[in-house]
Amino acid sequence: AQTVTQSQPEMSVQEAETVTLSCTYDTSESNYYLFWYKQPPSRQMILVIRQEAYKQQNATENRFSVNFQKAAKSFSLKISDSQLGDTAMYFCAFMKHNNGYALNFGKGTSLLVTP
Amino acid sequence: KAGVTQTPRYLIKTRGQQVTLSCSPISGHRSVSWYQQTPGQGLQFLFEYFSETQRNKGNFPGRFSGRQFSNSRSEMNVSTLELGDSALYLCASSLGLLPGANVLTFGAGSRLTVL
Repeated sequence: AQTVTQSQPEMSVQEAETVTLSCTYDTSESNYYLFWYKQPPSRQMILVIRQEAYKQQNATENRFSVNFQKAAKSFSLKISDSQLGDTAMYFCAFMKHNNGYALNFGKGTSLLVTP
Repeated sequence: KAGVTQTPRYLIKTRGQQVTLSCSPISGHRSVSWYQQTPGQGLQFLFEYFSETQRNKGNFPGRFSGRQFSNSRSEMNVSTLELGDSALYLCASSLGLLPGANVLTFGAGSRLTVL
């Protein structure tokens, strides 16, 4: 079974600063997908960014980018120019390739952006 | 375009009762999956349906079941409720058709409290 580990339960960053959230995973699969989802307080989960394991190029979505290290099984999320609206729980998730759409989630990192 | 709709949003049941939760996916989405979110266990995959067939199943007891209808709407049922079933139940839908169409869009969830 795939395990996803987020070693930082809580983090804090000041507005306009940059913060990096860590995620490691364990799998014997060679092809898979990795995701970061964001769950703001009392609001629904939304996709932040998606990475396909067979693509070496790191995914980027505006202020959000990832550092995908396949050999190290690491998938960190960098948030640049942090905004108050980035305050949320962030979940790293793993999905096997060609096995339906089942996500394995990490425990999450609670990010607080302060003024 | 309407999002993923889950009903009811909140419900309270007593031990031993059963509950049915409903999920209407985004129009055109054929894959629906269900997750249980609790403070202790985090987000755990329950099952996924695609074109009325269960494609994936997580490690939950048989008391948890689901189904999908021809219009892609899905229901999940929990029988003989236990206190530990208190959780936020999230439904997610995706296109489920093309390679790479595996981005899940989540609903707001159904919060179940078992007394």
